[in-house]
Amino acid sequence: DAEITQSPRHKITETGRQVTLACHQTWNHNNMFWYRQDLGHGLRLIHYSYGVQDTNKGEVSDGYSVSRSNTEDLPLTLESAASSQTSVYFCASSDKLLAATYNEQFFGPGTRLTVL
Amino acid sequence: GDSVTQMEGPVTLSEEAFLTINCTYTATGYPSLFWYVQYPGEGLQLLLKATKADDKGSNKGFEATYRKETTSFHLEKGSVQVSDSAVYFCALSESNTGNQFYFGTGTSLTVIP
Repeated sequence: DAEITQSPRHKITETGRQVTLACHQTWNHNNMFWYRQDLGHGLRLIHYSYGVQDTNKGEVSDGYSVSRSNTEDLPLTLESAASSQTSVYFCASSDKLLAATYNEQFFGPGTRLTVL
Repeated sequence: GDSVTQMEGPVTLSEEAFLTINCTYTATGYPSLFWYVQYPGEGLQLLLKATKADDKGSNKGFEATYRKETTSFHLEKGSVQVSDSAVYFCALSESNTGNQFYFGTGTSLTVIP
């Protein structure tokens, strides 16, 4: 069955370290998204991609970067982790843009990141 | 810009009670509307959706009607079960913002036996 996976599921790191969170989907979806989930804020969009070599900034992109070298993967990198980036991170994917606005997004299980 | 506002939680109900979670939206065009559910320790799952005014989405006993005149998409269920305990997110997506999703802050529901 097609799925979307994230790794690691839990990560503890120190302030200033570089951290990369992996996201891999086997749906063959063009669109991929990264969100962070914080109490009182719901889900906020960090970065997104509509295809290979395409990346775009979302609402809360400062301190994060992504790259899309193939259809299946969109890794999220925290260049220099900060305590404010302690959060739960979700990756999502959806089918190509042209198929209309109602395409649902499929979510991964999440990565809980703690920055000490 | 686009946004979604949903009622504050947490909500605690007894089993078989009626559930309403309010959701209103602001959009520049003609969005599609969604309810997602997040069970403890899991990612979000689509619960139901509606793509145009007056559409009713339904799934697992939950319903929501797309009301353009009141810009609302309230989630209802006639008789909740303990297994419905989760966090519920209202969301919208529209083509003139690149089909990005805008989520509400989530409403936590706990159903007690």
